[in-house]
Formats: sequence, structure tokens, C-alpha cells
Amino acid sequence: AAGVIQSPRHLIKEKRETATLKCYPIPRHDTVYWYQQGPGQDPQFLISFYEKMQSDKGSIPDRFSAQQFSDYHSELNMSSLELGDSALYFCASSSRFSGTGNYGYTFGSGTRLTVV
Amino acid sequence: LAKTTQPISMDSYEGQEVNITCSHNNIATNDYITWYQQFPSQGPRFIIQGYKTKVTNEVASLFIPADRKSSTLSLPRVSLSDTAVYYCLVGDIYDYKLSFGAGTTVTVRA
Repeated sequence: AAGVIQSPRHLIKEKRETATLKCYPIPRHDTVYWYQQGPGQDPQFLISFYEKMQSDKGSIPDRFSAQQFSDYHSELNMSSLELGDSALYFCASSSRFSGTGNYGYTFGSGTRLTVV
Repeated sequence: LAKTTQPISMDSYEGQEVNITCSHNNIATNDYITWYQQFPSQGPRFIIQGYKTKVTNEVASLFIPADRKSSTLSLPRVSLSDTAVYYCLVGDIYDYKLSFGAGTTVTVRA
């Protein structure tokens, strides 16, 4: 079965650089979520999109932005990177239309961002 | 206030049953209880969800008492591959975002 695809799997950037993470949700899933998980930390919700519109916002820094495109894939753009941005970034998708809400979440394998 | 409280860690041996209890004293009427499993460097994976009484699937069972102020995830006959962090989440099923608290690290030994 198709899963949530994230790219790249690993990314190394220097401080003050920019990074773009991509997420391809499961086909026919209408909602995409982004989570950040620092070393030894629990996943923290960043932002979500439903039908290409931002639906919820969590602890996402102003240096970060995200969007969902017409093909439902999503990109997380991170600028002025700091050492503290080093983390695993997970994307998840679900289908509100099917009424599964947070029951039907499927997470991708994540992008490991290292800022040096 | 934390929505959920779970043990930081638990140790077990292969073939044993592991029970993880989660406290959620302030659970609301519309809240459901959901458990996720996470292996190192992988995304969380849905295990089970329930509202009250008992729910069972091919992976685990979830026991929820009548007052719903706690819940217990039961993993039958664990194997080494069940070593992971287990998260208990409480929220409105249509909240559309998951709020992870501190999970329970379960270590299964041979």
C-alpha cells in the first residue's frame, strides 16, 4: 500500500541557510500535518493543511513556512537555520472525508535535518 | 497541565504481557484515547483507539474503565521487535492534530 513519502531522508545545512522539505501524502488523503522531533524529545505539532488551506498552527517558528499544493503534496520551508533546528521532521496525512480524523493518521519516515 | 501521564519506562521479557497505564484525569466527554508506537528514527504508528470499555485488534487491547480517567494498553506476548516508545494521546477525534506528551519507553529483553 502507498505510504507517506518524505524527501530528502537526510539533509545537512549550515547555519543561516535555507532548507525545503517535501511530503507526498497517501493518495486521496486531504489533510497533511508537519511535526518536529528534536533529539530525545517527543513529536511537536508544527502546522497542518486541509484541502490546500492552512487548518491549524502549532509551535512553528516565524522562520518556517509551509504550503500544500494542488496535487496535495506539501513543502516545509525553513530559513535562517539555527543549530536548534536540527531534528527529525515528520509529515503525516489523513482523510477527513472518511471521518477517521486522528484515527487515520499515517506518518512518513521523516527527514533528518542537521544544521552545522 | 499535562493531558496524560504515563510511566517513563518499562522493562519486559520476550513472551510476557506488557501493560502500560495512562492517566488522563481531565478527559472531556468528546475525547477519544489513542495509542501510537514509535521506533527510533521512524514516524509514529497508530496502534489502537477507544472511547470506553475494551477495544481489541490484532496488535493490542485497550482497557478503559467507566470513569475514563485512565486507560491501559496491553501488548500480549511481546517480542524484541516491540521495543519502542509508546504514546498515549487524548483528544477530540475531530481535533485533527495530535498532541504528544512524554511517552513510555518499553524495552523487551531476550
